[in-house]
Amino acid sequence: AQSVTQLDSQVPVFEEAPVELRCNYSSSVSVYLFWYVQYPNQGLQLLLKYLSGSTLVESINGFEAEFNKSQTSFHLRKPSVHISDTAEYFCAFNDMRFGAGTRLTVKP
Amino acid sequence: DSGVTQTPKHLITATGQRVTLRCSPRSGDLSVYWYQQSLDQGLQFLIQYYNGEERAKGNILERFSAQQFPDLHSELNLSSLELGDSALYFCASSAGTGGGSNEKLFFGSGTQLSVL
Repeated sequence: AQSVTQLDSQVPVFEEAPVELRCNYSSSVSVYLFWYVQYPNQGLQLLLKYLSGSTLVESINGFEAEFNKSQTSFHLRKPSVHISDTAEYFCAFNDMRFGAGTRLTVKP
Repeated sequence: DSGVTQTPKHLITATGQRVTLRCSPRSGDLSVYWYQQSLDQGLQFLIQYYNGEERAKGNILERFSAQQFPDLHSELNLSSLELGDSALYFCASSAGTGGGSNEKLFFGSGTQLSVL
C-alpha cells in the first residue's frame, strides 16, 4: 500500500531558528510528493511539489524539500523561520492522500 | 482566494439528522475531492469525482454520499449524523483526472460541522 507518514505531530521552534518537518513515504511505484500548508482558519495551499528531475525543490517563501529515494523521505526544511510560518504542514502522496500533519509553532 | 467555494461555512445540527455540504470548483476544474479534517483523525480523503463520475474512494462511511452535477458543482450528503462526525469538511478541485498524477489541488475554506 502507498502511504505517507509524518513523524512529528508538533514542532515548536523559536523565530529565526532552522526547522525540519519530516515526511516518509511508502510506495512501489513512481511517486509524486507534495507539501501543503494550512494557515489558521484557512484551507490548504500548495507549498511545493516533487514530480521528477532535481531532487531539491523550493517554494517562494524560503522552504525547500529534498526527495531522497534511498531513504524514502521528503523532508521539508527552512533555514530561518518567521512567526508567520506558524501553520499546519501536510505531506501528500500522488493519489492525493495526506499525512497526519505537523503543527509548526514559531515562538518569538 | 483559491477559487473554490464551499457553503455553508458553519453548520450546527443534531444527532440523527441529515445535512448537505456544497462545493463549487474553480472555473475549468473537472475534479472535485472531499476531505474530512478532525483533531483525532487528521485530514482524511473521502471521495473524488471527475466530470460527474466517481473516480476514487477513500475512508468514506456508508452514511455519507456525494455526487457531482453536470455544472461540476458537488454535494456531500451526510446522514444519520453522530457526534463523531463533527469536523471540518474540505472540498478541493483540480484540472485533471487525479489519481496518481502530478496535479495541484485548490482547497476551499471548508465547512465546519458541529453535531450536538
